[in-house]
Amino acid sequence: GENVEQHPSTLSVQEGDSAVIKCTYSDSASNYFPWYKQELGKGPQLIIDIRSNVGEKKDQRIAVTLNKTAKHFSLHITETQPEDSAVYFCAAITSGNQFYFGTGTSLTVIP
Amino acid sequence: DAGVTQSPTHLIKTRGQHVTLRCSPISGHKSVSWYQQVLGQGPQFIFQYYEKEERGRGNFPDRFSARQFPNYSSELNVNALLLGDSALYLCASSFQRSGNTIYFGEGSWLTVV
Repeated sequence: GENVEQHPSTLSVQEGDSAVIKCTYSDSASNYFPWYKQELGKGPQLIIDIRSNVGEKKDQRIAVTLNKTAKHFSLHITETQPEDSAVYFCAAITSGNQFYFGTGTSLTVIP
Repeated sequence: DAGVTQSPTHLIKTRGQHVTLRCSPISGHKSVSWYQQVLGQGPQFIFQYYEKEERGRGNFPDRFSARQFPNYSSELNVNALLLGDSALYLCASSFQRSGNTIYFGEGSWLTVV
């Protein structure tokens, strides 16, 4: 099956700085890569996603890049705000609808 | 529109007991998946149901079972509970069987004592 690795496990940034979280995957057949934000005591919330036929996607302060050759994808958050503090998960999907999740990155934005 | 709803939100069970968790998908969504999230880890796939049939199963013992009803709601059942079953159980729904975004509910926190 697919194996998704995520780094770093924890990340602290000053408010206004950028944050980058990286994930790698093992199955070259994976074709869809969502990112989820999970706040304490809540379920994961989709924040952005990218499909394998696209190299980059941006939504306001959030962007995702995908390198299919290297089998890695990254989440970029610019102009970070305290409300961005949460745990972020990357995921990959091959056939069917079974998502494989990374182990999460705990992001802290320091005011 | 209502999102994915799960019940109960929290529950405490004793080892050896049985638990049933319930999920209602987003209106119009026909696929429901169940995930287990242990503290500090990412969600782990348990089951996917689409059109009332099991379409995928993760690496979980037979103590775990699920079903989907004609209205696309779903139940996850766990028998003979172990301490290690303590986790957040997440239900996710999507419109189609595969290749679609999944949307999570808030989860059911299960504590086994």
